[in-house]
Amino acid sequence: EVQLVESGGGLVQPGGSLRLSCAASGFTFSDYWMAWVRQAPGQGLEWVANINQDGGEKYFVDSVEGRLTISRDNAKNSLYLQISSLRAEDTAVYYCARVVRYSSGRADYGMDVWGPGTTVTVSS
Amino acid sequence: IVLTQSPGTLSLSPGERATLSCRASQSVGSNYLAWYQQKPGQAPRVLIYGASTRATGIPDRFSGSASGTDFYLTISRLEPEDSAVYYCQHYANSPWTFGQGTKVEIK
Repeated sequence: EVQLVESGGGLVQPGGSLRLSCAASGFTFSDYWMAWVRQAPGQGLEWVANINQDGGEKYFVDSVEGRLTISRDNAKNSLYLQISSLRAEDTAVYYCARVVRYSSGRADYGMDVWGPGTTVTVSS
Repeated sequence: IVLTQSPGTLSLSPGERATLSCRASQSVGSNYLAWYQQKPGQAPRVLIYGASTRATGIPDRFSGSASGTDFYLTISRLEPEDSAVYYCQHYANSPWTFGQGTKVEIK
């Protein structure tokens, strides 16, 4: 079964840091771009970051660039997101997602497999 | 690229047709836009990519279309399980962005 499972969320004080993990199974992890998407309580979805198959290309949302590190360990089938200088507005459910490219011609992408999410709460 | 969805909420009866709109603030390239469905307490699910191509396993009552920078998701015959929030998302360039969502309620 194709599956993603996030972990590492919790209650963190403002200014602190956190490392989220995402364990992949049921597919060849190293073949896919991966993404993090977050959702603040009662709010919509916000794309956070992408990383390519070998970790050499990374893209981030402008609002958190500089505080984020996205990485992956293909040998461990794992994706990571480190967030530093946490703020109240970083409080959210963080989802990892597999990015699929639907054809070799057009650059059509979609996030076709998602984990259940891990909750990060930033509060004193 | 800012994506603006309308309406905020759509309340319709089973069997009715729902049309959701997503307007992009600038070109999203060759219709590099996807639609996602999110039910309460669940992760999102991709419905449409390339503005009009259904993802694997998506029922044919879901369809997408485009006209310039305006994009539409149509649910032809609403079923109770279609109650959800629907988001458009572009992948034309970085940063990817989502619209704010349209909530579809089934009466």
